[in-house]
Amino acid sequence: GENVEQHPSTLSVQEGDSAVIKCTYSDSASNYFPWYKQELGKRPQLIIDIRSNVGEKKDQRIAVTLNKTAKHFSLHITETQPEDSAVYFCAASIGGTASKLTFGTGTRLQVTL
Amino acid sequence: NAGVTQTPKFRVLKTGQSMTLLCAQDMNHEYMYWYRQDPGMGLRLIHYSVGEGTTAKGEVPDGYNVSRLKKQNFLLGLESAAPSQTSVYFCASSLPTSGRAGANVLTFGAGSRLTVL
Repeated sequence: GENVEQHPSTLSVQEGDSAVIKCTYSDSASNYFPWYKQELGKRPQLIIDIRSNVGEKKDQRIAVTLNKTAKHFSLHITETQPEDSAVYFCAASIGGTASKLTFGTGTRLQVTL
Repeated sequence: NAGVTQTPKFRVLKTGQSMTLLCAQDMNHEYMYWYRQDPGMGLRLIHYSVGEGTTAKGEVPDGYNVSRLKKQNFLLGLESAAPSQTSVYFCASSLPTSGRAGANVLTFGAGSRLTVL
């Protein structure tokens, strides 16, 4: 089955700096890569996703890049704000279906003032 | 529009007891899922359902059973609880894989914290 590794496990940045979280996946058949954000005590929520036919996708301050050859994808957050503090999970899906999603172990991002 | 609702939010069990977690969604989603979340382990899929009357095993199905008698409800059962099942359980739902906007996007419930002593 699919294996998703996520790094770093914790990340601390100052407000206004950029944050980058990286994930690698094992199965070249994976073609859907969502990112979920989970604030403390809350439920995970989708923030951005990308499909394998696209190399980069942006939504305001967040962007995701995908390198299919190297089998890795990254989340980039620019101009970080305190409300970006949360745990971020990457995931990869074989066949592009949510029922085949494998999640990474999460990155706890702390944005300090 | 409540989205995905889980009950109960908290439960403490003794080893060997049984219980059922209830998930209800009002978005007319075809697919429903049960995940468990443990520190350092991310979200792991227990069981899922692609429609009323159908269920399938996920990554960590042992010790759990599920039922989907109605499209809007997905039940997770523990027949004989073990301390290893202490976790936070999340239910989620989604539209099926298709060309529709929002397909495969998981909508999660608020979570159910289960402690097995």
